[in-house]
Amino acid sequence: KQEVTQIPAALSVPEGENLVLNCSFTDSAIYNLQWFRQDPGKGLTSLLLIQSSQREQTSGRLNASLDKSSGRSTLYIAASQPGDSATYLCAVPWNYGQNFVFGPGTRLSVLP
Amino acid sequence: EAGVAQSPRYKIIEKRQSVAFWCNPISGHATLYWYQQILGQGPKLLIQFQNNGVVDDSQLPKDRFSAERLKGVDSTLKIQPAKLEDSAVYLCASSLGAVRASSYNEQFFGPGTRLTVL
Repeated sequence: KQEVTQIPAALSVPEGENLVLNCSFTDSAIYNLQWFRQDPGKGLTSLLLIQSSQREQTSGRLNASLDKSSGRSTLYIAASQPGDSATYLCAVPWNYGQNFVFGPGTRLSVLP
Repeated sequence: EAGVAQSPRYKIIEKRQSVAFWCNPISGHATLYWYQQILGQGPKLLIQFQNNGVVDDSQLPKDRFSAERLKGVDSTLKIQPAKLEDSAVYLCASSLGAVRASSYNEQFFGPGTRLTVL
């Protein structure tokens, strides 16, 4: 069974800082990993999807890395802004790549 | 391109009542997912459809929950009768398909329905 954890559970930083969010998974036989953002009372917004053959994926100020052998992924946010405040979740596929198992999320607050 | 649509956005009911949620996925997306998200937790998959067939419903409490996707497009999720512990946000997502090692299973989510059971 796939289990996903995220550290830290919550993070508060001043504006402008670079930060790293961590995601760990127990079954390394994954096909891809997806990072999402969730604003309070809203649905999930897809940020990045990394295939198992990739090691990194970048979108603007976001960079996600994937290390299958160690069961880890990191989301790097450069030059954080108050608008980045949200909960960030990672999800990995289970059941031969069809279903996703989510982590509990990291709640990020960027202070102006 | 229109996103995933869900309705209603909010619902308050008393325990033992029934409730239904509706989802319309992105046009052309064959795979549809229903998730339950309890406050402070990540979403938990309830059921996955590929077109109008069920791929996985292993975590769906079948004694009270049911879902259908009759024409392979929109879907409804029903709870009957509701319990206090069903209070959660119900999220619908869709993807092009469910193909391994492919961006086809990148999921796109609707805004969710917040259910409160009193």
